[in-house]
Amino acid sequence: EPEVTQTPSHQVTQMGQEVILRCVPISNHLYFYWYRQILGQKVEFLVSFYNNEISEKSEIFDDQFSVERPDGSNFTLKIRSTKLEDSAMYFCASSVSSEGSYGYTFGSGTRLTVV
Amino acid sequence: DQQVKQNSPSLSVQEGRISILNCDYTNSMFDYFLWYKKYPAEGPTFLISISSIKDKNEDGRFTVFLNKSAKHLSLHIVPSQPGDSAVYFCAASARRDMRFGAGTRLTVKP
Repeated sequence: EPEVTQTPSHQVTQMGQEVILRCVPISNHLYFYWYRQILGQKVEFLVSFYNNEISEKSEIFDDQFSVERPDGSNFTLKIRSTKLEDSAMYFCASSVSSEGSYGYTFGSGTRLTVV
Repeated sequence: DQQVKQNSPSLSVQEGRISILNCDYTNSMFDYFLWYKKYPAEGPTFLISISSIKDKNEDGRFTVFLNKSAKHLSLHIVPSQPGDSAVYFCAASARRDMRFGAGTRLTVKP
């Protein structure tokens, strides 16, 4: 069964450093998303991406965050200057349609630890 | 962001019995409601969805009920199995984003 692949599975970074989280969505999916889950808290929407541009973003997704689909297969989330509160599990997801009935396919996540 | 709420952090049921997971929402613009299941160290897995124009959708042991007037939905699992033990997230979508509830940890005891 096709799956969404995320790398690395765990990333430790110093506060203030830039990190790039990588995702390979399912090949025929057109819509891409990033979510995060701070330990013990709910899964939070960050951003959705379609046709090489951001469709929606949440209040969490400020100027420190950016997304890119550099080569038609990868979908990346960049955090420019990490803060301690950015420590969380980051989930990438993709879907074949924007229609909500299809659900999203999520990757296994990248655990980001900012020290 | 409290648009989707799951007020029960945990639920424990006996194998073979019914599990009922509840969810409330506040935004009338949501057009689809979904349930996801999550195991530790994995991403959420899509289970079942329902359109806002329907009141019931069934898929095997899983049935989702939607009460629009009460802004409430529920997931019924019958019969419950030990492998169903996981965290269940309610989600609601409008346009191109989806909002999750806080999750309910279901434990099915043998």
